[in-house]
Amino acid sequence: GQNIDQPTEMTATEGAIVQINCTYQTSGFNGLFWYQQHAGEAPTFLSYNVLDGLEEKGRFSSFLSRSKGYSYLLLKELQMKDSASYLCAVRDDKIIFGKGTRLHILP
Amino acid sequence: GAVVSQHPSRVICKSGTSVKIECRSLDFQATTMFWYRQFPKQSLMLMATSNEGSKATYEQGVEKDKFLINHASLTLSTLTVTSAHPEDSSFYICSAKPGGSYGYTFGSGTRLTVV
Repeated sequence: GQNIDQPTEMTATEGAIVQINCTYQTSGFNGLFWYQQHAGEAPTFLSYNVLDGLEEKGRFSSFLSRSKGYSYLLLKELQMKDSASYLCAVRDDKIIFGKGTRLHILP
Repeated sequence: GAVVSQHPSRVICKSGTSVKIECRSLDFQATTMFWYRQFPKQSLMLMATSNEGSKATYEQGVEKDKFLINHASLTLSTLTVTSAHPEDSSFYICSAKPGGSYGYTFGSGTRLTVV
């Protein structure tokens, strides 16, 4: 079956660094996505990993280990606007989403 | 960047009526579109895959006669919720993948409230 796990909630301080982990068990794998979703809005694309390693894009980085079925999203220099849900999603022939991690940023 | 336009953004309807939600790819052609449903504080659940010119593929547990999907052109897919009931109240979102892009672009979503 398909299973994607990520923490339900996390809290971090403005200016700090936070790592959101995601583990997955899927029948197939054609890449892993991270999306950001603010309450009441549609998700917005953050990153895509299909090969092992770290992809860096500004304050956000995403890491993938296919052998371990593991990914993380790293957010640096946290800002209040980063308060949102972060969705891990795995692509097989379609995209399956995890339940999302609600990130709370404290001033 | 690629844009997927979704309308309406909010709709309130009476129980037993039908509601149509439209999803358009504005600057790219989408042979496939995906329809998701999201309940409060839950993740996106894939309902069906819409294929241009052919029948949609529904996920297990999704009633195809209740959620009618039409993908009549390369830029338009519609989801019609028939005989809506209060339990159908949810956030419905479509998405598509522009050619040459890794990421899937989402529409802005439709908040459906059935009273």
